[in-house]
Amino acid sequence: GDSVTQMEGPVTLSEEAFLTINCTYTATGYPSLFWYVQYPGEGLQLLLKATKADDKGSNKGFEATYRKETTSFHLEKGSVQVSDSAVYFCALLPFQGAQKLVFGQGTRLTINP
Amino acid sequence: EPEVTQTPSHQVTQMGQEVILRCVPISNHLYFYWYRQILGQKVEFLVSFYNNEISEKSEIFDDQFSVERPDGSNFTLKIRSTKLEDSAMYFCASSARVMNTEAFFGQGTRLTVV
Repeated sequence: GDSVTQMEGPVTLSEEAFLTINCTYTATGYPSLFWYVQYPGEGLQLLLKATKADDKGSNKGFEATYRKETTSFHLEKGSVQVSDSAVYFCALLPFQGAQKLVFGQGTRLTINP
Repeated sequence: EPEVTQTPSHQVTQMGQEVILRCVPISNHLYFYWYRQILGQKVEFLVSFYNNEISEKSEIFDDQFSVERPDGSNFTLKIRSTKLEDSAMYFCASSARVMNTEAFFGQGTRLTVV
């Protein structure tokens, strides 16, 4: 079945460090891929998405590229800030029109000043 | 900015009791969802709801669970006869169309069964 595997957390970095959170997926069809973020006390928010191979999603300085050959959608940011501290979830939608998202387990990111 | 709101933020209940988790989706949205996350595990889909009926449910969503939209604004998840393993964070979500558009999630209700 469809599944998402994320890098184990927690991840702790210093401000202005480079961030990578790995995400790989297994899917039988042609999924869309997403990164959601959950700030403390808030709901899951869509951070970025990509709907087909080689698409790059970007938002708030974060980027992720849909790599079909490696079945990956790694999240990157060149210079993190304290305000980026949150839990990050990689997810896939198995096909267009699907009802449900398939999530990874989430990665807790803490940025120290 | 419109948002999905969930109440309560934390609920503690005794094993065997019934609980109702409440959600107010974004007002013009048509699709509604419940997900849960057991501590340390993945966020799991429970159920989707459209046009006043369940459109899809997972194997987790057995007869112990039910959903309804009682008054056109609230969307509730009822868990009958709670078990210890029902302890989890429950997320409600809504979307204007099917899930390939942006789904908006609530902040979650942490359910603790003791």
